[in-house]
Amino acid sequence: GESVGLHLPTLSVQEGDNSIINCAYSNSASDYFIWYKQESGKGPQFIIDIRSNMDKRQGQRVTVLLNKTVKHLSLQIAATQPGDSAVYFCAERALAYNNNDMRFGAGTRLTVKP
Amino acid sequence: DGGITQSPKYLFRKEGQNVTLSCEQNLNHDAMYWYRQDPGQGLRLIYYSQIVNDFQKGDIAEGYSVSREKKESFPLTVTSAQKNPTAFYLCASSIVGATYGYTFGSGTRLTVV
Repeated sequence: GESVGLHLPTLSVQEGDNSIINCAYSNSASDYFIWYKQESGKGPQFIIDIRSNMDKRQGQRVTVLLNKTVKHLSLQIAATQPGDSAVYFCAERALAYNNNDMRFGAGTRLTVKP
Repeated sequence: DGGITQSPKYLFRKEGQNVTLSCEQNLNHDAMYWYRQDPGQGLRLIYYSQIVNDFQKGDIAEGYSVSREKKESFPLTVTSAQKNPTAFYLCASSIVGATYGYTFGSGTRLTVV
């Protein structure tokens, strides 16, 4: 079946380095993607989104890349800081999901070492 | 400020008890959702509602019930039929079609004692 998944469950980086978190999706009808950040014991927070008519979108210290050819999504965090430590997960929207519009990946836990 | 509020933050349930988790939003969103999150796992959909007085089962609805009497409110009841209810529960809302994704509440951690 269709699914959203992640390549790596954990990622550890040194403070100041760049981080790259990856996500694979299998539904070619997906037209909208979001990256969420979830800190321990809290609800997910929106980080950045991208629509399928784009291949790159930049925010403050974050960039999302979309490769529709291989159905791959990535989140790049520049100059990673200790406050970036959290679980990051991607979400895809496909209206073919019959009104249950978004599907979520399991997440990658990012740990930033001082 | 507009947002989505879940309460309580922590909830303890005795064996055989029903408990109700509250979710309220003032974002004027038509759609609301309940997810369960277990450690190291992704979000699993329990129930969702696209409109008042209507709701649909998600992937793991057994042992749970919901109501949608008001647009702003979507309470979740964890019944005694749910044999493993200890988890983190997240409520979310969106406009129909999720054009801008979901907005999440801060979650309720339910523990069986």
